[in-house]
Amino acid sequence: QSALTQPASVSGSPGQSITISCTGTSSDVGGYNYVSWYQQHPGKAPKLMIYEVSNRPSGVPDRFSGSKSGNTASLTISGLQAEDEADYYCSSYTSSSTHVVFGGGTKLTVL
Amino acid sequence: QVQLVQSGAEVKKPGASVKVSCKASGYTFTSYDINWVRQATGQGLEWMGWMNPNSGNTGYAQKFQGRVTMTRNTSISTAYMELSSLRSEDTAVYYCARDTAVASSDYWGQGTLVTVSS
Repeated sequence: QSALTQPASVSGSPGQSITISCTGTSSDVGGYNYVSWYQQHPGKAPKLMIYEVSNRPSGVPDRFSGSKSGNTASLTISGLQAEDEADYYCSSYTSSSTHVVFGGGTKLTVL
Repeated sequence: QVQLVQSGAEVKKPGASVKVSCKASGYTFTSYDINWVRQATGQGLEWMGWMNPNSGNTGYAQKFQGRVTMTRNTSISTAYMELSSLRSEDTAVYYCARDTAVASSDYWGQGTLVTVSS
């Protein structure tokens, strides 16, 4: 069982918006602004999409945005495109000895 | 351009050890921490630990304490992750990744498949 809870799957049609949630505790998501989101296509390495809750690395489209409220972080993808279909993972710094925890991943299907 | 190039796939017997390398290029190796993350087939990501290439300081996930060792050779800009007492559950793709911010990795290696089988 993963430390952070994500929905197993979400789906949306091209052009629509979707949101993926990531729920933790006050020891991780709720306690620090160190939440990241990764996109992973099959057979590929993860790609950083969001860091420190809402910051986008250079080259990531502004269709991707992140936010946090309490112990839950969210990734929103607007204007869905076919190439957005992938697995998405959240991660957070944690005060436990583990240091970094991941969510179980969410499979995004673009209908 | 920043690149992390990992060593090739390994097949090991239960009880053996494996050492995966991660060669960095395109940036100053000692300026960014290196994380190691693994992913079993069809499963999620699992953080294993971090290493500061400058100081050699490390931090390991509790699950791997006593079995994992992260080291580096700064002269060749290469990080290493050694996992001992392998068991079948350790079969996974192992990734190295460069830390860009706290608990956030911006560049990843291509992954190394480690298969543990008798």
